[in-house]
Amino acid sequence: GENVEQHPSTLSVQEGDSAVIKCTYSDSASNYFPWYKQELGKRPQLIIDIRSNVGEKKDQRIAVTLNKTAKHFSLHITETQPEDSAVYFCAAGYSTLTFGKGTMLLVSP
Amino acid sequence: GAGVSQSPRYKVAKRGQDVALRCDPISGHVSLFWYQQALGQGPEFLTYFQNEAQLDKSGLPSDRFFAERPEGSVSTLKIQRTQQEDSAVYLCASSLASVSGTDTQYFGPGTRLTVL
Repeated sequence: GENVEQHPSTLSVQEGDSAVIKCTYSDSASNYFPWYKQELGKRPQLIIDIRSNVGEKKDQRIAVTLNKTAKHFSLHITETQPEDSAVYFCAAGYSTLTFGKGTMLLVSP
Repeated sequence: GAGVSQSPRYKVAKRGQDVALRCDPISGHVSLFWYQQALGQGPEFLTYFQNEAQLDKSGLPSDRFFAERPEGSVSTLKIQRTQQEDSAVYLCASSLASVSGTDTQYFGPGTRLTVL
């Protein structure tokens, strides 16, 4: 089955800096790569996703890149704000999803 | 419109008790997923329905776990003879997808199960 590795497990940045979270996957059949943000005690919320026919996707301060050859994808957040502080999960899959273990992002004012 | 809802939000069970967790997906969503999320971990896949058909139950940890979606809408995850290691948040998600391949999954708020 699919195996997703996510790094780093924690990331501390200053407000206004950029943050990058990286994930690798193992199953070449995976064609869908979403990123979720989960605040403490809340449900995971989709922030951006990418499908395997696209190499990069951007939505305001958030971007995701995908390298199918190397089987890795990354989340980029620019101009970070304190409200970006949360746990971020990457996932990969075809009909079902396998999630990474999460990255706790802390943005200090 | 209304999102995915789950009930109860919190459940405390004594070891050995049976529990039933309910998920109401977004109206019209064909696919429904159950995940288990341990503290500090990512969601782990349990099982997947397309309408009333359970297409994948490979993530269910033991035969004490059973899920159903008899009319292709509401789903129930049942855990028999609960054990302490079953303590976790159980998340339900639904998506519009009706064919193979994934579509955006929308999550419910989860049920936090604590087994004493």
